[in-house]
Amino acid sequence: SQQGEEDPQALSIQEGENATMNCSYKTSINNLQWYRQNSGRGLVHLILIRSNEREKHSGRLRVTLDTSKKSSSLLITASRAADTASYFCATDSEQIFGNEKLTFGTGTRLTIIP
Amino acid sequence: DAGVIQSPRHEVTEMGQEVTLRCKPISGHNSLFWYRQTMMRGLELLIYFNNNVPIDDSGMPEDRFSAKMPNASFSTLKIQPSEPRDSAVYFCASSPRGHNSPLHFGNGTRLTVT
Repeated sequence: SQQGEEDPQALSIQEGENATMNCSYKTSINNLQWYRQNSGRGLVHLILIRSNEREKHSGRLRVTLDTSKKSSSLLITASRAADTASYFCATDSEQIFGNEKLTFGTGTRLTIIP
Repeated sequence: DAGVIQSPRHEVTEMGQEVTLRCKPISGHNSLFWYRQTMMRGLELLIYFNNNVPIDDSGMPEDRFSAKMPNASFSTLKIQPSEPRDSAVYFCASSPRGHNSPLHFGNGTRLTVT
């Protein structure tokens, strides 16, 4: 079963607007990651937030983490057409030999309308 | 850095045939992961290796699936015999050893079994 569930499943906004995607998970985590997937391509890592962090920024990306609610949000500000992609959250359900065994959510399909 | 390289990009085969997917991880990365992506089930972890040793293959759907990593620069995922329900996009990803290291994905192999 999926550890993370993204919400909404699909989102369409006008270019220049902000896009917010949410992720909920079920078990305790050490960190949460967000990935982007363009059509026909592999996933690309965007940002990682640790369980003891509440907010993190990277360029136009802002990620928040609320461990008490077991949820995270990804905000993309000033969206561009190139941001059109699917976005996934991933949580580490267990760690073996220091490497995460990541479990991915179901993804949010983001469409930026020019 | 060439990234994770997968081949072939597309594979079309008939039911019952053997299929071999190949992956070259990023040099220096000690962990390698095989994922399968479908619309119905999303991204599923099939197996992962650490230092060429299979650590967890609990995601491998059945005995028809096997994976090897004969050295640090090469891995294969084999399906024998293939079935139509194996149709999916198969991704290979690698990560460096250590905590909180993002996964680097290849562009996947789209497998169609007719």
